[in-house]
Amino acid sequence: DGGITQSPKYLFRKEGQNVTLSCEQNLNHDAMYWYRQDPGQGLRLIYYSQIVNDFQKGDIAEGYSVSREKKESFPLTVTSAQKNPTAFYLCASRYRQTGSLVGEAFFGQGTRLTVV
Amino acid sequence: GENVEQHPSTLSVQEGDSAVIKCTYSDSASNYFPWYKQELGKRPQLIIDIRSNVGEKKDQRIAVTLNKTAKHFSLHITETQPEDSAVYFCAAGSSGGGADGLTFGKGTHLIIQP
Repeated sequence: DGGITQSPKYLFRKEGQNVTLSCEQNLNHDAMYWYRQDPGQGLRLIYYSQIVNDFQKGDIAEGYSVSREKKESFPLTVTSAQKNPTAFYLCASRYRQTGSLVGEAFFGQGTRLTVV
Repeated sequence: GENVEQHPSTLSVQEGDSAVIKCTYSDSASNYFPWYKQELGKRPQLIIDIRSNVGEKKDQRIAVTLNKTAKHFSLHITETQPEDSAVYFCAAGSSGGGADGLTFGKGTHLIIQP
């Protein structure tokens, strides 16, 4: 089913807590991305990684952190510094060939994070 | 960076009629333009894409057109069916090195009226 898995599907966070969202892919894709989706806002890029041990900030990186220790995994941590974390989070990956990004982005099924 | 504008935000059409969704982009370096369909609570899935070396691409009832000069591209769905109801996102990006991902439009909620 697309080869990219996010967990958990639903996550509840208390005020002041850090939480980590998991994203794993078995598509052998080099590039991985995290997007945040809010109603009426489309998908906004949080962080992306084009290779292991390297990642870059997207448009709305404040209050988030990531790591890329393995090609298959790109976890996202939502820190207490993120003031409005309630949203739907989508992870995606794309194939990279000889320095170029080609082809479609495959998405995970998403994690819905709610602050309680 | 890239900026993608998508219109309309909501589109209601009668079953069997055609639907057109339009997007504009700002970065002339963008050369890859996918369209995604997202059903409620599910992941976006690619329905069609086009690269800047072609002006039109068709896949059954779905077609995409690209005008590089004007920096706009459109999704056309003919003979709409109830299962076409969903949110559709356009995106623009690069298939060249150094790409920082896809920039998405804000989405169009397509409603097919029976």
